[in-house]
Amino acid sequence: SQTIHQWPATLVQPVGSPLSLECTVEGTSNPNLYWYRQAAGRGLQLLFYSVGIGQISSEVPQNLSASRPQDRQFILSSKKLLLSDSGFYLCACAALEGVNEKLFFGSGTQLSVL
Amino acid sequence: LAKTTQPISMDSYEGQEVNITCSHNNIATNDYITWYQQFPSQGPRFIIQGYKTKVTNEVASLFIPADRKSSTLSLPRVSLSDTAVYYCLVVGQSGGFKTIFGAGTRLFVKA
Repeated sequence: SQTIHQWPATLVQPVGSPLSLECTVEGTSNPNLYWYRQAAGRGLQLLFYSVGIGQISSEVPQNLSASRPQDRQFILSSKKLLLSDSGFYLCACAALEGVNEKLFFGSGTQLSVL
Repeated sequence: LAKTTQPISMDSYEGQEVNITCSHNNIATNDYITWYQQFPSQGPRFIIQGYKTKVTNEVASLFIPADRKSSTLSLPRVSLSDTAVYYCLVVGQSGGFKTIFGAGTRLFVKA
């Protein structure tokens, strides 16, 4: 079964600083990969998804970007963080089980922009 | 993708059965229904998935009526550790979870 590695677990960054969050997946090949963000007490917002190397789709306009340099690596970046970028960031991998897909999530990164 | 509506919060006591209902009036023919559980500071975890009628696994049961416009997640004999947020998702069978999770249902299990 697939395993999703996401780091760091927590991060405190000043406004205007760059960001790089990395997610790697084991146990599957050519997965669909996703970045979600969750504000405190809220549901998950889909930020980016990728169906393959170099293929990125953005769901909402924002200060963030994503890249997929390798099949099982998904990176979330920002050149200059804003206060509003604070939140809980989750990487997810879609796995096909039977005829349906399931999402498997990493452990998340709690980002605080101060 | 179909929009879902579920209660914001529910309270229960240990040992009780909990039923959380989700409305999805615009569900398409090829869509299926998935429920996730999320604990604080963790990613959501898959609970159960179904297309129609009843699905049961070691954790929960999922009841889907014939018109599929709603579904009910049933948690038998809840414990304190079942306190979490439960999300209902309707996803297309073609794949791709290109949807925004709703706020979910916050279940509080009391002793």
